[in-house]
Amino acid sequence: NAGVTQTPKFQVLKTGQSMTLQCAQDMNHEYMSWYRQDPGMGLRLIHYSVGAGITDQGEVPNGYNVSRSTTEDFPLRLLSAAPSQTSVYFCASREVGQETQYFGPGTRLLVL
Amino acid sequence: EDQVTQSPEALRLQEGESSSLNCSYTVSGLRGLFWYRQDPGKGPEFLFTLYSAGEEKEKERLKATLTKKESFLHITAPKPEDSATYLCAVQASGGSYIPTFGRGTSLIVHP
Repeated sequence: NAGVTQTPKFQVLKTGQSMTLQCAQDMNHEYMSWYRQDPGMGLRLIHYSVGAGITDQGEVPNGYNVSRSTTEDFPLRLLSAAPSQTSVYFCASREVGQETQYFGPGTRLLVL
Repeated sequence: EDQVTQSPEALRLQEGESSSLNCSYTVSGLRGLFWYRQDPGKGPEFLFTLYSAGEEKEKERLKATLTKKESFLHITAPKPEDSATYLCAVQASGGSYIPTFGRGTSLIVHP
């Protein structure tokens, strides 16, 4: 099993550009989520999904969109990138009802 | 509002020097408290979940304990490979899927 994979590893964007951060898991987990991690702050939940076709907002959803068409994939879309979205983004998954959450390796995003 | 405070922010130990990391929390009904380990440039790695005061869990040199207000991560006779940032998070009861993470404790163990 590859676990949770994320692409790209690094990305530089200009303000106003859009992009999609990819996340995939091969553990058949129903629950998937996106976090951002900023210096001096704890991980913050952006969006999450409890299954295909079901998504909900986390703590900091503004500026981001998600969709969940399959169990395996949970892409995060930045609609119009802003410098405040410079961060490291982590995708995570777990089985519903289980507490062990598996994180991907992260995507480092720089918005100029 | 749920809050998690971890202390100290950074800790330097000599190999074999045992110590504890603290996670203080306020939450409107605790569903679970989680500890993760994060190595530089990598995603967090799950360590433990604690559910109720008095509960303890162990893994190799790590032992996590829980009271009604705080959790401790005890590190016994640490080795350099235990160097990492340790994250604490809480999840409130009531169906919310939004966990609250602390800022972490950066641990460096010198040989």
